[in-house]
Amino acid sequence: DIVMTQSPDSLAVSLGERATVNCKSSQSVLHSSQNKNYLAWYQQKPGQPPKLLIYWASIRESGVPDRFSGSGSGTDFTLTISSLQAEDVAVYYCQQYYRLPGYTFGQGTKLEIK
Amino acid sequence: EVQLVQSGAEVKKPGESLKISCKGSGYSFTTYWIAWVRQMPGKGLEWMGIIYPGDSDTRYSPSFQGQVTFSADKSISTAYLQWNSLKASDTAMYYCARQDGGLDYWGQGTLVTVSS
Repeated sequence: DIVMTQSPDSLAVSLGERATVNCKSSQSVLHSSQNKNYLAWYQQKPGQPPKLLIYWASIRESGVPDRFSGSGSGTDFTLTISSLQAEDVAVYYCQQYYRLPGYTFGQGTKLEIK
Repeated sequence: EVQLVQSGAEVKKPGESLKISCKGSGYSFTTYWIAWVRQMPGKGLEWMGIIYPGDSDTRYSPSFQGQVTFSADKSISTAYLQWNSLKASDTAMYYCARQDGGLDYWGQGTLVTVSS
């Protein structure tokens, strides 16, 4: 399986400030002939199912605010929230969907308000 | 509107069997993979595997191979997750989700509690 490692495990950021979550894969998730990174980001708030934020590493899902952005390629990826809002408090997960048998998730990053 | 609606919470005893469901609507159910995801209490997301309802092609994560069974009934647009003999460690929230690249639509989750 490809192992996904997120950092940090938890993060406290002031309202209006930038929040950055990192995700590293143990193998490249870049499909070179398609030039696509098979990497998604999710947000999960307490008591709710996860919500897809970003797919193909940098494409924002419809309806997701533009303060959320994804970047990176190969094995190193970043989710950035440009200006933290109170409603962004959640746990964030990355997931690779490049290689079976397991489309593995990172362990999650808990984002709180400082 | 795309929706995945899961069956309700279950309380079972160790050794019992269980089958939970995930009904899709608002899209062509047979042409998208359905994934199952486990979330143990207070823990992260674990991808269990996927099933293609069009032909019931199934892929299991190694961690779950032999522990659960996926199935689908395309005539009623429903996918299933089944256990033959539950353990206390199966206590978790189970989500189904449509795998289209990322997991773009999720069910509301089914809480399974296994306790003697």
